[in-house]
Amino acid sequence: GNSVTQMEGPVTLSEEAFLTINCTYTATGYPSLFWYVQYPGEGLQLLLKATKADDKGSNKGFEATYRKETTSFHLEKGSVQVSDSAVYFCALKRDNQAGTALIFGKGTTLSVSS
Amino acid sequence: EAGVVQSPRYKIIEKKQPVAFWCNPISGHNTLYWYRQNLGQGPELLIRYENEEAVDDSQLPKDRFSAERLKGVDSTLKIQPAELGDSAVYLCASSSDYEQYFGPGTRLTVT
Repeated sequence: GNSVTQMEGPVTLSEEAFLTINCTYTATGYPSLFWYVQYPGEGLQLLLKATKADDKGSNKGFEATYRKETTSFHLEKGSVQVSDSAVYFCALKRDNQAGTALIFGKGTTLSVSS
Repeated sequence: EAGVVQSPRYKIIEKKQPVAFWCNPISGHNTLYWYRQNLGQGPELLIRYENEEAVDDSQLPKDRFSAERLKGVDSTLKIQPAELGDSAVYLCASSSDYEQYFGPGTRLTVT
């Protein structure tokens, strides 16, 4: 079946540190991959996405590259800020149909201190 | 543009009681989703609507859960009777194309 595995948190970093949150997936066919972020007290927001192998999604200084050979979609940021503290979810859609539901990982909590 | 609206934001009930959650999607979004998020887990799909038709309800526990989306706009998710294991955050999302927009969720506590 389709599934997503994320590194367990919490991840605790100092401001300006480098961030990596690992995400691997299992899927048949050609899924699309996403990172969602949930800030305290708010709903899930799309952070970035990639729809095919070797695509790189980027937004707000975050990046992730769709690696089919390693079935991975690791999230990176070169210099984190306190405002990046949130829960990050890796997710996939099993196909490219617009309405298909998302399959999420368990989430990784990031805490950034000044 | 208003986002996905959900109410109530919090609900505490005793087991065996009924409960209902309401969702108003973004205007013009034909697809509506209900997800359940257990503590420390990612959201899991309960049901998906295309307009007023439920096109994927394979994960909905139909013995106690029901949902409707009359007129293809607002939706209601109901649990009757609630069990302790139903304590979770219930998320509504909508989409018109590729991106899903999530509401803030309803946090249900069953005591």
